[in-house]
Amino acid sequence: AQSVTQPDIHITVSEGASLELRCNYSYGATPYLFWYVQSPGQGLQLLLKYFSGDTLVQGIKGFEAEFKRSQSSFNLRKPSVHWSDAAEYFCAVGGLTGGGNKLTFGTGTQLKVEL
Amino acid sequence: DTAVSQTPKYLVTQMGNDKSIKCEQNLGHDTMYWYKQDSKKFLKIMFSYNNKELIINETVPNRFSPKSPDKAHLNLHINSLELGDSAVYFCASSQGGGTKNIQYFGAGTRLSVL
Repeated sequence: AQSVTQPDIHITVSEGASLELRCNYSYGATPYLFWYVQSPGQGLQLLLKYFSGDTLVQGIKGFEAEFKRSQSSFNLRKPSVHWSDAAEYFCAVGGLTGGGNKLTFGTGTQLKVEL
Repeated sequence: DTAVSQTPKYLVTQMGNDKSIKCEQNLGHDTMYWYKQDSKKFLKIMFSYNNKELIINETVPNRFSPKSPDKAHLNLHINSLELGDSAVYFCASSQGGGTKNIQYFGAGTRLSVL
């Protein structure tokens, strides 16, 4: 079975500080990994994805994530957080198992940005 | 133009009623999904259709019935609504599975059952 763990339910950072959101996954084959962001009252927007190749992937809004197979992790980072980054962040795992259409999401990390 | 649109945005209804949520995508995608997000923000897949064919059917009460009249539309009908059905329901679409499974989400429908 595939699963995602986001250990941090809430994180608070000061504007301008760096950010790292943790994500650990369990998947029986090669994982496809995603980070989505959800602003209040909105749907989910894709930040970045990893399928293969370079393990450091760049996304929108200045975010990046690093795939570490040995640690089953796909942590999201941003060097300098802006107040507008306050939102809920979801990590998700998919792949080719069972037709490849299922994404399993983590429980999310709520990011608060202090001015 | 909104890529994935859901209507209505808000739905308030009494227990026991039947209601429908509509979803349309203009991305030309072959696959559509329904998710339920509970009060703790946990997002769980309910159904998925590929070219009008049901391909994912998670453990969902049979009061929930998806219908896909064409590959651009996936509607969700809920019979005999219960308090526990209160949640935000998201529609999403993708080109397919595997590396094509980049899902685009609608803005959600907040269902409140009183």
